[in-house]
Amino acid sequence: DGGITQSPKYLFRKEGQNVTLSCEQNLNHDAMYWYRQDPGQGLRLIYYSQIVNDFQKGDIAEGYSVSREKKESFPLTVTSAQKNPTAFYLCASSGFLGATPSTDTQYFGPGTRLTVL
Amino acid sequence: AQSVAQPEDQVNVAEGNPLTVKCTYSVSGNPYLFWYVQYPNRGLQFLLKYITGDNLVKGSYGFEAEFNKSQTSFHLKKPSALVSDSALYFCAVRDNAGNNRKLIWGLGTSLAVNP
Repeated sequence: DGGITQSPKYLFRKEGQNVTLSCEQNLNHDAMYWYRQDPGQGLRLIYYSQIVNDFQKGDIAEGYSVSREKKESFPLTVTSAQKNPTAFYLCASSGFLGATPSTDTQYFGPGTRLTVL
Repeated sequence: AQSVAQPEDQVNVAEGNPLTVKCTYSVSGNPYLFWYVQYPNRGLQFLLKYITGDNLVKGSYGFEAEFNKSQTSFHLKKPSALVSDSALYFCAVRDNAGNNRKLIWGLGTSLAVNP
């Protein structure tokens, strides 16, 4: 988990609320990712960003939004449009995606568990 | 379509015995393969990767993996299992389609090492 921090560790949301999950890295990585993990479904990519001020939708982007204003930070907002947001959210980062494949190892933060009340 | 399969949801092994967690893949072009481990309520930890070269890759915590191109497999192995190895293990392959460089993930295999 070293080098990538996520906060909070646990988050509770009422229906209809937007919440923002924080992800910060000090690894000087260019690329950052957000995944959602549900039991038995592995990891599903929500959004990813290859460089500052750029990001792309992953496989399950609906109901989520991101920003990438700084290299170190990639916050994820879970909006009220996300109908089933209860899950474990993982942030990851990796080296520049245009470089050699060996830089593409993703390193993960400790995760945020979001529960809708 | 590119994919990763972990055919076993759960693997049980006695402490001290060798362990194998299986992974097969389907990808266009050269496969770049990864193994990660996840302990309960924690993030994933990188174990090892295969990019090119020697088919036997050594990684963290005494784990190794064998790349087999003809069988399109990348099984994770350890000669002597520890109770502390009990965790969820994920195999992943780099998505070589287009220029997105994403990882395609298996669904995970839960490893239980019994004392």
